[in-house]
Amino acid sequence: SQQGEEDPQALSIQEGENATMNCSYKTSINNLQWYRQNSGRGLVHLILIRSNEREKHSGRLRVTLDTSKKSSSLLITASRAADTASYFCATDAGGTSGSRLTFGEGTQLTVNP
Amino acid sequence: DAGVTQSPTHLIKTRGQQVTLRCSPKSGHDTVSWYQQALGQGPQFIFQYYEEEERQRGNFPDRFSGHQFPNYSSELNVNALLLGDSALYLCASSLRLAGVWGELFFGEGSRLTVL
Repeated sequence: SQQGEEDPQALSIQEGENATMNCSYKTSINNLQWYRQNSGRGLVHLILIRSNEREKHSGRLRVTLDTSKKSSSLLITASRAADTASYFCATDAGGTSGSRLTFGEGTQLTVNP
Repeated sequence: DAGVTQSPTHLIKTRGQQVTLRCSPKSGHDTVSWYQQALGQGPQFIFQYYEEEERQRGNFPDRFSGHQFPNYSSELNVNALLLGDSALYLCASSLRLAGVWGELFFGEGSRLTVL
């Protein structure tokens, strides 16, 4: 079963606009990760945020984590057509289940040129 | 430095048949995990292999089994295939250091279609 939910399920924007995707989860986590997937191919790791962090940046990506609300958001700034993909959040409970990721359902992002 | 490689890329089977999928981890990695991703859904954890043993298992029936070889490569076997087994099967590798697993690296997946 999936750990959480992602919102929205689909997002369509114009190039240059910002895209925000949200993720909610149910159990305590060690870290939360965001992945990108192009057309049903392999997953590409984007960014990891630990449970004691609140915000993290990587290039045009900004991730926030609110452990009290069990939620995270991924912001892609100045989007490009090449950002079109599915984006998944995944939680790692750590401990003995370390590296076992529980994924959300994903957000399909379409960036129109 | 080769990343995670999986084979075959695509395959078609019929109900009741058996399938074996293969994975070679990223160089230097010692742990392999398998995920099933049905169309339009997120990946679901099947199991993880470390030191040639199954260490963790998700909510999958015994028809799903695996193996890890001394060179850290791995196989996923599925017996008595059902239509619902049609999915993209993803392999991910990582390295365990000081009791902690590092970042997962995913392969491109094997797309299984069951007719």
